[in-house]
Amino acid sequence: NAGVMQNPRHLVRRRGQEARLRCSPMKGHSHVYWYRQLPEEGLKFMVYLQKENIIDESGMPKERFSAEFPKEGPSILRIQQVVRGDSAAYFCASSPWAGGASDTQYFGPGTRLTVL
Amino acid sequence: QQQVKQSPQSLIVQKGGISIINCAYENTAFDYFPWYQQFPGKGPALLIAIRPDVSEKKEGRFTISFNKSAKQFSLHIMDSQPGDSATYFCAASSSLSGSARQLTFGSGTQLTVLP
Repeated sequence: NAGVMQNPRHLVRRRGQEARLRCSPMKGHSHVYWYRQLPEEGLKFMVYLQKENIIDESGMPKERFSAEFPKEGPSILRIQQVVRGDSAAYFCASSPWAGGASDTQYFGPGTRLTVL
Repeated sequence: QQQVKQSPQSLIVQKGGISIINCAYENTAFDYFPWYQQFPGKGPALLIAIRPDVSEKKEGRFTISFNKSAKQFSLHIMDSQPGDSATYFCAASSSLSGSARQLTFGSGTQLTVLP
C-alpha cells in the first residue's frame, strides 16, 4: 500500500510565478490536509478537504492561495504570484474515513518550494 | 488558546540514555495527542498517540505520559539510539471541530543521540 505521494519534491519559482503542488492520498483515504512548515518551525495547518469539498480553510492566507480535491486525481495546492515569504516545505496528510472523523494523519514527503 | 508549547528546543543524549520531551497546551477541547518523528528532508511520521482517558501509553521504547489536570504531556524515549536522532513534534487536535481534525503542532525538538 503506497503511502501519501507528493510531487514535485522540489520546486523553484521566481517571484510572481505560479506554484502547483500535488498530493495523492493513501489508497482508501478520503480526507486530505495541507500543512506548511517554515524553516526551523513546526507545521501549520492550512486547509482540509474531502472529495470535491473544502471543509475548513481557516489556515489559508486570504489571497493567492487555493486548494482543490477533485473527484478524480490528486489534491492540488495552488499559489499564485509567489513571493519569497512563500518559500517553505508544504506537506500533505491523509486520513481514512472512520464513520465521522479520523484522528490518524499520514504525511507525505513534502514539496520544498523555493522562491527566487 | 490553540497553541501547543514544546520544550526543549534541542536535546543531546548519550546512547542508552532517556530522552524526555515535554509539551503543554491551553485548549481543553483537545482530545487527541500524537507525536511525530521527522528526519531531514522527510515528512513527519506518526510515532505514538494518546487520548486523555489514559495517563500513559507505551509502545516499545516510546512512552507518552499525559497529565490532564496540568494540560501537559511528554514523550519518553528509553535506551535512546543514534538512529533516534531526528526532530520530534508533539501535536493536538479536537473533535469539537467536527470532521476537520486539523493538528496543532509544537515547535519541535531536535534530538541528537551521541554514540
